[in-house]
Amino acid sequence: DAGVTQSPTHLIKTRGQQVTLRCSPKSGHDTVSWYQQALGQGPQFIFQYYEEEERQRGNFPDRFSGHQFPNYSSELNVNALLLGDSALYLCASSYLGTSGDNEQFFGPGTRLTVL
Amino acid sequence: QKEVEQDPGPLSVPEGAIVSLNCTYSNSAFQYFMWYRQYSRKGPELLMYTYSSGNKEDGRFTAQVDKSSKYISLFIRDSQPSDSATYLCAMRASGSARQLTFGSGTQLTVLP
Repeated sequence: DAGVTQSPTHLIKTRGQQVTLRCSPKSGHDTVSWYQQALGQGPQFIFQYYEEEERQRGNFPDRFSGHQFPNYSSELNVNALLLGDSALYLCASSYLGTSGDNEQFFGPGTRLTVL
Repeated sequence: QKEVEQDPGPLSVPEGAIVSLNCTYSNSAFQYFMWYRQYSRKGPELLMYTYSSGNKEDGRFTAQVDKSSKYISLFIRDSQPSDSATYLCAMRASGSARQLTFGSGTQLTVLP
């Protein structure tokens, strides 16, 4: 059983560009959350998708947007990249069952570098 | 002030030692508490979660929650070099709030 997968592993962009990151949830999971982790910090919640809709959003600007597909996979899009967007972007999947979102399983992340 | 405070360490202990990792929080709405382990350049791995005050044990790991003091701990018994990683506490409010709020992580090194 594959866990949460993310692509690409690494990405280098320049300021002002746009980027799309992808995530496939763990088998049986229907909810995908995205987090940004700066070096030496804990992950910060960006948003969560369930039933192809954004259910909750953290304190991130509209440059950050996402999508969830019918197969539960998800994309994170970031427009007009800034140097401060350089971070590890983590996808977490969960099943909205009895444990709710207490058991969120993380992928290996995509390391984005903005030059 | 951050909602979740965690001592960043680094913490270095000899193999076999008991390790204590701690977080404090300020938001009374937090009801669910998790501990994640993150190896360098990897995603966080869920170790344990709990929702009630008291202790929960899983092998060499014990999670402790004191909601009255807004304080949580993770104890690692018989620590091994393979336990060397960054440990992140995370918490979530009940109800419709689904986001996890993380501490900044404690870097642990277990020396052989």
